[in-house]
Amino acid sequence: QVQFVHSGAEVKRPGASVKVSCKASGYTFSFHAIHWVRQAPGQRLEWLGWINGGIGDTKYAQRFQGRVTITRDTSASTAYMELSSLTYEDTAVYYCARDGGSPEYYFDYWGQGTLVTVSS
Amino acid sequence: EIVLTQSPGTLSLSPGERATLSCRASQSVSSSHLAWYQQKPGQAPRLLIFAASRRATGIPDRFSGSGSGTDFTLIISRLEPEDSAVYFCQQYDSSPPLYTFGQGTKLEIK
Repeated sequence: QVQFVHSGAEVKRPGASVKVSCKASGYTFSFHAIHWVRQAPGQRLEWLGWINGGIGDTKYAQRFQGRVTITRDTSASTAYMELSSLTYEDTAVYYCARDGGSPEYYFDYWGQGTLVTVSS
Repeated sequence: EIVLTQSPGTLSLSPGERATLSCRASQSVSSSHLAWYQQKPGQAPRLLIFAASRRATGIPDRFSGSGSGTDFTLIISRLEPEDSAVYFCQQYDSSPPLYTFGQGTKLEIK
């Protein structure tokens, strides 16, 4: 079955960067894109961007352009999300989710998430 | 940016009843770009419905989706205690590429 294993919780200072990983199993990694979505306390789910599992091209939400970088290692079936210049508002659970496949646009499997806490 | 507004904020019903959850978009959304998710406390979201009305793998037929344009609905019939959760709708817009989510409807089974 499709599963994702996230890296562990992180605590970062304001201004720092964080890199979160998510290792996929149960399917051919290169056949699906991987998205990153975050959920801050009391806030809506928020999409950060995605990476094509095969060719590795990326798309980012405009509000995170220049601050987020999504990469992948196909040999390890792992996707990474790095967020820089952290502020307190970046405290959230960061999820990876598998793209369900076009022409529909949805996320069919999600990881359990990584809690990132920004604190001084 | 397309904003999704869900109503009601909280819904409290009894087992066996039917729940009707609404998702309204600030602009027209392609039906193929609308999905619904269920999230229980401490868990990741779980896909229920994609393309507005297609059930995801393993989702019971008590869950059904409908709608078009700016108004979409998730109906959960014959409610069970395990249906207690927060339900989100989600859409995709291609220009610029952006997925957005509704604020959620909390369903309580009394």
